[in-house]
Formats: sequence, C-alpha cells, structure tokens
Amino acid sequence: VQLVQSGVEVKKPGASVKVSCKASGYTFTNFGITWVRQAPGQGLEWMGWISADNGDTDYAQQLQGRVTMTTDTSTNTAYMELRSLRFDDTALYYCARVAVVGTSAVDPWGQGTLVTVSS
Amino acid sequence: DIQLTQSPSSLSASVGDRVTITCQASQDIRNYLNWYQQRPGKAPKLLIYDASSLQMGVPSRFSGGGSGTHFTFTISSLQPEDIATYYCQHYDNLPLTFGGGTKVQIK
Repeated sequence: VQLVQSGVEVKKPGASVKVSCKASGYTFTNFGITWVRQAPGQGLEWMGWISADNGDTDYAQQLQGRVTMTTDTSTNTAYMELRSLRFDDTALYYCARVAVVGTSAVDPWGQGTLVTVSS
Repeated sequence: DIQLTQSPSSLSASVGDRVTITCQASQDIRNYLNWYQQRPGKAPKLLIYDASSLQMGVPSRFSGGGSGTHFTFTISSLQPEDIATYYCQHYDNLPLTFGGGTKVQIK
C-alpha cells in the first residue's frame, strides 16, 4: 500500500492549490482518505475525510467553504483543493488511508506536500 | 470541539527506560483514541487504535490503555529508533482532533 503525493507548491494569498494523492497496492474504493496538515514546527490538524466509494465528505468546520476533497476512481487518485489561500495555510499537507474501518485510524500516509503561501 | 491534552510535552529518557505519556480528553470519548508516531522529517505512523489495539507490524514494546477521558501510551523499553513526537487523536465525533504532541528524546 502506497500513497504518493504531488510536489511542492508556492502560491500567492488569495490563490488556490490542488494537491493530489495517488494510491496503489489496494482496492481504492474500499478505504476512505483523510487529509491532515502540519504548519511549520507545529502539531497535526485534521482537515477532513472522503469516502473513495461514494464521495461522501466531512470537512473541518474552520475550512468549510474553502476546501473540497474529491476522488478519481479511474486513476485511484484523491485530491484536496484549498481556495482563498492565506499566509497561515502554509503547511505540509498529508493524505492518509483509513487503516481500520470504523476507527478513523489512518495508515499509511503520503510523503506530504509542502504548500507555501507567500506574496 | 473535544480537546486532547498530552503530558508531558517533552521528555528525555535513557535507552531501556519505560516511558509513559498521558492524553486527557475534555469529555468522554469512550475508547475512540489513536496514537501516532512522527519521526523527525517523516510522515506520522499509526501505532495504536481503539485506545489499546496494536497496529499490525508495530513492535510489542508499544502499548496503550485507558477509556473515557484518561488514556496512556507506554514504551516498555525505549530504543534509539523511538526518538519521535507522539500524538493522540480522538474520533468520537467531528471534528477529529489531535493532542499537542509529546517529543521523546534520548538522555
């Protein structure tokens, strides 16, 4: 099981970013994908979750209206788009697969995508 | 939102020591708690789910316990490769939240 994420992004405030997460080694639609971010030197922040089976989503309240999570089952890829970027969106963004159905425990994780918001 | 308070925020111990981290929830989360290890510069890794179940492939020196609002995570014999920050995470309801982390170092 492996999750491979897209590369480094540098964006200006107000722009959008779309991070991809390509899954391999398992049946993609059998497990949901969670997105977590980590600001430089800080802890982990849960952003949301998407079912790879039916596309159902749950988003963190503080990101509602700015974040959209999607999947493409033809390419086994999950996407996280964040709009209206702010300086405090600078972070390492991780995708992770649900490891144990019904627990929200996630493993493995992607390698992370660094998104820098800078003017 | 449920708050998770980890203590200590950092600790230093010798190889072979028993290390215990606590995670206090602001309300009853039953046993809906996971523990993750994040080595420096790496992505997190799941160690424990459902408060006390060991994830496949994780060494048995790691263990978890507790329920309700008080949880513990223990390394029975600290090894050099255990240098990392450890996070608890609840999944009782949305939003899922993480504790602030405990940084474990070798003395």
